[in-house]
Amino acid sequence: DARVTQTPRHKVTEMGQEVTMRCQPILGHNTVFWYRQTMMQGLELLAYFRNRAPLDDSGMPKDRFSAEMPDATLATLKIQPSEPRDSAVYFCASGLVPWRPYFGPGTRLTVT
Amino acid sequence: TQLLEQSPQFLSIQEGENLTVYCNSSSVFSSLQWYRQEPGEGPVLLVTVVTGGEVKKLKRLTFQFGDARKDSSLHITAAQPGDTGLYLCAGALRDDKIIFGKGTRLHILP
Repeated sequence: DARVTQTPRHKVTEMGQEVTMRCQPILGHNTVFWYRQTMMQGLELLAYFRNRAPLDDSGMPKDRFSAEMPDATLATLKIQPSEPRDSAVYFCASGLVPWRPYFGPGTRLTVT
Repeated sequence: TQLLEQSPQFLSIQEGENLTVYCNSSSVFSSLQWYRQEPGEGPVLLVTVVTGGEVKKLKRLTFQFGDARKDSSLHITAAQPGDTGLYLCAGALRDDKIIFGKGTRLHILP
């Protein structure tokens, strides 16, 4: 049963530290999404890729967030420097067609 | 800014009752999806509706897409405790972006 995997599942860090979250999309999926979920804002789209090329990252704070796909089996989301307001659950999702994303279990980030 | 408004935000009802939750927008979507999310997990797709006026059924769940493809509803018949969870609607835009509503948190009391 193919699944999207995300690491780490939980991360606690201090303000100012760099955070890197990793995602392994389902093999063969050509679209990868990064979402952030908070109680206040719900699920927000941060960025998405098609065939490893970034299509839209307008949802990301550009000064501190960056998203990349070094290869087809790895997507990364980096925050540098992290701030308490970045505390959230970050989800990666992949899909073969964009309207059918499969979500990973998420990375719960706490910035103190 | 495209927004999807879901209502109600919270709903707590007794087992066996019927309920409807709504998803509304001023934007037209190429498709609309409903997800269910449980604590500690990612959302799981329940259904995708594509055609205006389309109705899909999944056991006790009935999903409807509005004629203008701007809104949708989810109706649950004879709710059960296993239906408890966060229900999210999501709309697919022409550029393949998928945007989500904030969800309806449903709690079914035994």
